[in-house]
Amino acid sequence: QLQLRESGPGLVKPSDTLSLTCTVSGGPLTGTLDYWAWIRQSPGKPLEWIATVYYNGNTFYNPALESRVTISIDKSNYQFFLKLGSVTAADTAVYSCARQKDFYYFDFWGQGALVTVSS
Amino acid sequence: EIVMTQSPATLYSSPGERVTLSCRASQNIGDTLAWYQHKPGQSPRLLIYGASTRAADVPARFSGSGSGTDFTLTISSLQSEDFALYYCQQYSHWWTFGQGTRVDVK
Repeated sequence: QLQLRESGPGLVKPSDTLSLTCTVSGGPLTGTLDYWAWIRQSPGKPLEWIATVYYNGNTFYNPALESRVTISIDKSNYQFFLKLGSVTAADTAVYSCARQKDFYYFDFWGQGALVTVSS
Repeated sequence: EIVMTQSPATLYSSPGERVTLSCRASQNIGDTLAWYQHKPGQSPRLLIYGASTRAADVPARFSGSGSGTDFTLTISSLQSEDFALYYCQQYSHWWTFGQGTRVDVK
């Protein structure tokens, strides 16, 4: 069974860069129909797709966040990463990583990691 | 951006009852819709994709229907483990989610 687990600091200062790692176990990151994504949920708001990466390094970003986001992958270590720069309080959210099947829906998720932006 | 609107925000029901959750897209998305179940402390669980295809190991009491802009998730006989938050998500143009419907005990 595929499992995903988010890790990273739970507190980030305003204007700093948020950095998260998703570690995948139970399967490779190189499936031809498998993409890897970050999603977040801020208090009182719907889930928001942030970015997606393919094992070959192709990346896709939410246009609303694209200027501040970088997603990357290290398939040999079964990890993919999120960096979100110039954070503000509005970036406080639970950040989840997920496998995106066929570039469509999200069939395996991590439990999520709360990141608070505060000085 | 395609906006997904779910109703009601909270649905109160009892075990054994039939429940119907609604999801509306702001534009035609065909059948590019998924449903998820989310319980506190757990990862979201994919229930339905392609508007009506059950994901692996999802009980038959869960069914999805609809196309275009209006979609429904039906639980034919609510079980105690089904009290949770349910989200819809479109994948026609980028990926956006509804606000969620909470199924709670009456």
